[in-house]
Amino acid sequence: SAVISQKPSRDICQRGTSLTIQCQVDSQVTMMFWYRQQPGQSLTLIATANQGSEATYESGFVIDKFPISRPNLTFSTLTVSNMSPEDSSIYLCSVGDREDKAFFGQGTRLTVV
Amino acid sequence: GENVEQHPSTLSVQEGDSAVIKCTYSDSASNYFPWYKQELGKRPQLIIDIRSNVGEKKDQRIAVTLNKTAKHFSLHITETQPEDSAVYFCAATPNTGNQFYFGTGTSLTVIP
Repeated sequence: SAVISQKPSRDICQRGTSLTIQCQVDSQVTMMFWYRQQPGQSLTLIATANQGSEATYESGFVIDKFPISRPNLTFSTLTVSNMSPEDSSIYLCSVGDREDKAFFGQGTRLTVV
Repeated sequence: GENVEQHPSTLSVQEGDSAVIKCTYSDSASNYFPWYKQELGKRPQLIIDIRSNVGEKKDQRIAVTLNKTAKHFSLHITETQPEDSAVYFCAATPNTGNQFYFGTGTSLTVIP
């Protein structure tokens, strides 16, 4: 399975600011995804990070709030913009392999104060 | 889009007993169903998966069953051990794109 490095692992941010989370994979992958996991909750898909084109967002998530970059097949970033306390959550990147299996980064625990 | 429901939300069993977690899905196009185990503060880890052309799959103490007609699938853990204590998530994907829709999770506690 791919080795996925995500950073920062945690951060405490002031409301109104933005945080960019990075996801680096040790091999080229076609599919990269970003999920949100609110405290004690399940994982919710935010968007699919497409290489060379705009990300595809799930219902309830918009590009202005969660801009995503995917400059190549091993790297992606998710920005949480204009943060509020409701954005406090764990954000995880995920990659898929050719057998449809998905693997996750260690997550970024974000606290907005 | 796909909607995955999972039951129960919490489950406590005595060590050595079996645990069963059930999920239902809504999109008949879903064809791949993984199960993830997430320990506190850690990332979800894939423990077993099943494809729509298979009715059952087993890996040591863990098994998964799938009923496509009824759109439900289940995780079975036998001879439970304290280290099985974690939150378990089922998921479904309606295509080969690897974007999953997760169930709400089951917090399993195995009592020594």
